[in-house]
Amino acid sequence: EVQLVESGGGLVQPGGSLKLSCAASGFTFSGSAVHWVRQASGKGLEWVGRIMSKANSYATAYAASVKGRFIISRDDSENTASLQMNSLTTEDTAVYYCTRFHPEMAFAYWGQGTLVTVSS
Amino acid sequence: DIQMTQSPSSLSASVGDRVTITCRASQGISHYLAWYQQKPGKVPKLLIYAASTLQSGVPSRFSGSGSGTEFTLTISSLQPEDVATYYCQKYDTVPVTFGGGTKVEIK
Repeated sequence: EVQLVESGGGLVQPGGSLKLSCAASGFTFSGSAVHWVRQASGKGLEWVGRIMSKANSYATAYAASVKGRFIISRDDSENTASLQMNSLTTEDTAVYYCTRFHPEMAFAYWGQGTLVTVSS
Repeated sequence: DIQMTQSPSSLSASVGDRVTITCRASQGISHYLAWYQQKPGKVPKLLIYAASTLQSGVPSRFSGSGSGTEFTLTISSLQPEDVATYYCQKYDTVPVTFGGGTKVEIK
């Protein structure tokens, strides 16, 4: 069974940093791209970024709203992906989901999400 | 970047009604279009991928069509459990983009 479990969410002050983790199981993690998607309360889904597999040079890409502040990484030996978030603003307050990407099936698998609250 | 425009933003229909949601891409995306259902407080669920392929386990009353820039999600007979917000998503290239969502309610 495919599972994705996010952790690391919490309350952080504006300007602060937070690192989210996504633990994967039930599939060949090393061969899969991982994307992060976020959703502010009462709002729609917003793509944050992605990291590809080793075969694709671990290429990363980011939404314009987070580029230069967020960094996605992965550790295939631990079947985990991470989202390092820096220079956080109140606009970054959201539930953050990690998802497994399939080139034809898009995001068939999602984690349960972790809440990040940026507030003083 | 390609924009995804969904319409309507909300709708109210009766049980048994046929419901259609439209998603328009600002540029052609071939068949790389997915539809997700999100119930309140829940994780988004993939309904349809590749514009028209039903994800395993999804009821057959859901269907998708279209290619290029115009896509539709149809619920052939609306059921109470279909109350949710529906999102389209283009995934041909990055940035991945979601539509603004369509909130479906029962009249």
